[in-house]
Amino acid sequence: ETGVTQSPTHLIKTRGQQVTLRCSSQSGHNTVSWYQQALGQGPQFIFQYYREEENGRGNFPPRFSGLQFPNYSSELNVNALELDDSALYLCASSPSGGEGSKAFFGQGTRLTVV
Amino acid sequence: LAKTTQPISMDSYEGQEVNITCSHNNIATNDYITWYQQFPSQGPRFIIQGYKTKVTNEVASLFIPADRKSSTLSLPRVSLSDTAVYYCLVGYNTDKLIFGTGTRLQVFP
Repeated sequence: ETGVTQSPTHLIKTRGQQVTLRCSSQSGHNTVSWYQQALGQGPQFIFQYYREEENGRGNFPPRFSGLQFPNYSSELNVNALELDDSALYLCASSPSGGEGSKAFFGQGTRLTVV
Repeated sequence: LAKTTQPISMDSYEGQEVNITCSHNNIATNDYITWYQQFPSQGPRFIIQGYKTKVTNEVASLFIPADRKSSTLSLPRVSLSDTAVYYCLVGYNTDKLIFGTGTRLQVFP
């Protein structure tokens, strides 16, 4: 519905492993943001990419890293997974210079760390 | 970014109008007010955005008083499918959206 697609939809990993999550932004949007949402909480900002460069970062450790590609799709990488990393990971895209907080979210990737 | 305060939960019945108020005392001059809806295990969905006075679209209305220190999302004639969490955000652009815990709306038959 939003044009933002994320893959995979569900994932189970073991503590200590690494994971890569993917996001395709809505057509015409060159800004992608990633959020982590723990159960019962609101989404927490991880970082944002604009034209392939990191453009702001939340309070997350360096083992959370990302990439944005020339077609504006994006990846979120998490190294050395911990149990507390279990959450819904959301990708949001928005046009550059857009006024207001009007971002469009994907359906999310549910990551479970065991 | 301005912090927002909204009720943790609200209950309603089908067919009623629901008004959810959000306080944002420290809103900046350039900030917009945006509301999102989220169903379990789905990404937030943009509902409505405004800067001042009243905004209406096909799903909701947003009322913003002159001082802009609060706003009210109005959902006319809710149905069971409106059961969700509603988030109020303020900001100028989409850098680092700050979500609170939202308002959990439960609609009963």
